[in-house]
Amino acid sequence: ETGVTQTPRHLVMGMTNKKSLKCEQHLGHNAMYWYKQSAKKPLELMFVYSLEERVENNSVPSRFSPECPNSSHLFLHLHTLQPEDSALYLCASSRNRHSTNEKLFFGSGTQLSVL
Amino acid sequence: KNQVEQSPQSLIILEGKNCTLQCNYTVSPFSNLRWYKQDTGRGPVSLTIMTFSENTKSNGRYTATLDADTKQSSLHITASQLSDSASYICVTNNAGNMLTFGGGTRLMVKP
Repeated sequence: ETGVTQTPRHLVMGMTNKKSLKCEQHLGHNAMYWYKQSAKKPLELMFVYSLEERVENNSVPSRFSPECPNSSHLFLHLHTLQPEDSALYLCASSRNRHSTNEKLFFGSGTQLSVL
Repeated sequence: KNQVEQSPQSLIILEGKNCTLQCNYTVSPFSNLRWYKQDTGRGPVSLTIMTFSENTKSNGRYTATLDADTKQSSLHITASQLSDSASYICVTNNAGNMLTFGGGTRLMVKP
C-alpha cells in the first residue's frame, strides 16, 4: 500500500448525475494532486493543492470541481460529465509540492465510465 | 514544448529474459527523471529518480541509465519475472517543477 486511498475504485455514471471521488493520504504530506489517465495517453495533471490551497488548475472544465478540506483529504466533484471524461482518475500526494526529487505517491485510482 | 517519448509502446518477453525500455525527452531546463511502474488497475509506483549528474541508478533488478547530453534514458530489467508485467512510465521534471509524463511502455512477461 502506498498510503494514499481512493474511493470508489469503480464508478459508472450518466451524463446528468452528480458524484464525488474521494482521496485520503496517511503520509503527513502537504501537497495533493488529481491526475487524469485516459487510455493510451500520458497522465494529465488536473489540480494541485499545497497546504489546502489550490495552486494550479490546468484549464480543467468546470464540470470538475475539486475540494481540499484539510491536508489529508481531497475530493473531486463531478457533474454533467461527457463520455470523453471516462478515464482513470488518480490522486497523488507528496511531502511538498513538486519540488526537486520529491517523490509522488499515487492511489489506486477510480476507473470512471460516463454513459 | 516539453515532450517525453517512450519506446517500444508494448513488449512481450519470456520469463527470465532481460529487456530494455527507452525514453527520449526534450524537457529544458532539465532537473530530474523518474521511472514509475504501474500495475493494471493500480496507481504508478516510483522505481528510480535521477538528477542530471547521475547516469545510473539501480533498484533491485531494475537499472535506470541517464544520458543528459543526448536526453535519453533507459530502464533495464534483469531476469524478468511474471510480476514485472506492467506499464513503465518515464517522467521528467524541469527546473520549474513541471512534470511531463511519457505514454508508457506496456510490458508483458510470459511463462
